Amino acid sequence: DGGITQSPKYLFRKEGQNVTLSCEQNLNHDAMYWYRQDPGQGLRLIYYSQIVNDFQKGDIAEGYSVSREKKESFPLTVTSAQKNPTAFYLCASTKNGELFFGEGSRLTVL
Amino acid sequence: AQTVTQSQPEMSVQEAETVTLSCTYDTSESDYYLFWYKQPPSRQMILVIRQEAYKQQNATENRFSVNFQKAAKSFSLKISDSQLGDAAMYFCAYRSARKSLHTGNQFYFGTGTSLTVIP
Repeated sequence: DGGITQSPKYLFRKEGQNVTLSCEQNLNHDAMYWYRQDPGQGLRLIYYSQIVNDFQKGDIAEGYSVSREKKESFPLTVTSAQKNPTAFYLCASTKNGELFFGEGSRLTVL
Repeated sequence: AQTVTQSQPEMSVQEAETVTLSCTYDTSESDYYLFWYKQPPSRQMILVIRQEAYKQQNATENRFSVNFQKAAKSFSLKISDSQLGDAAMYFCAYRSARKSLHTGNQFYFGTGTSLTVIP
């Protein structure tokens, strides 16, 4: 079945460590997105990519980095510079103007 | 940037009854799309319904319908015959119809409404 796969589902990290969240899609979608979800704040855009080897900062890009070397993959790295990284992270792609989401990754910083 | 406002953080409805979730948005554009997404406890976001701004007719998907008031910039979701499986967070979202290679189509989300369905 086609879809978006995020891994890991749950992740714990110590302060000062970088961590990479994986996002893979087999929908052949060009555009991919990373959102952060916090209680009471809805979804906030971190980074997005319209095509391979190109990506743009969203509203809250500080402390995050991405790459888009393949159409299918859009990994997100949460760096030690992100001051409050504990959150739920959602990856998405678009086709015909609609967003399709992965199941999310819950990151907890200890 | 466009803003989307959901003024009801929590709502509840009796099973089999009807509930309406509110959403307002702010934009200077005339052509855009509006969405309602559902996020159940499993956290997987699912598209519920979509409305094109150029269409006057309100979108309907089975028990879900919208009341789109373009002049008032209002986009409410009505759930009829509520079921236990409707319990979830509901997010209203906006997307411009304009698209460019680098800025693409950004989606703007409201803060969500948590819907409880009472048996």
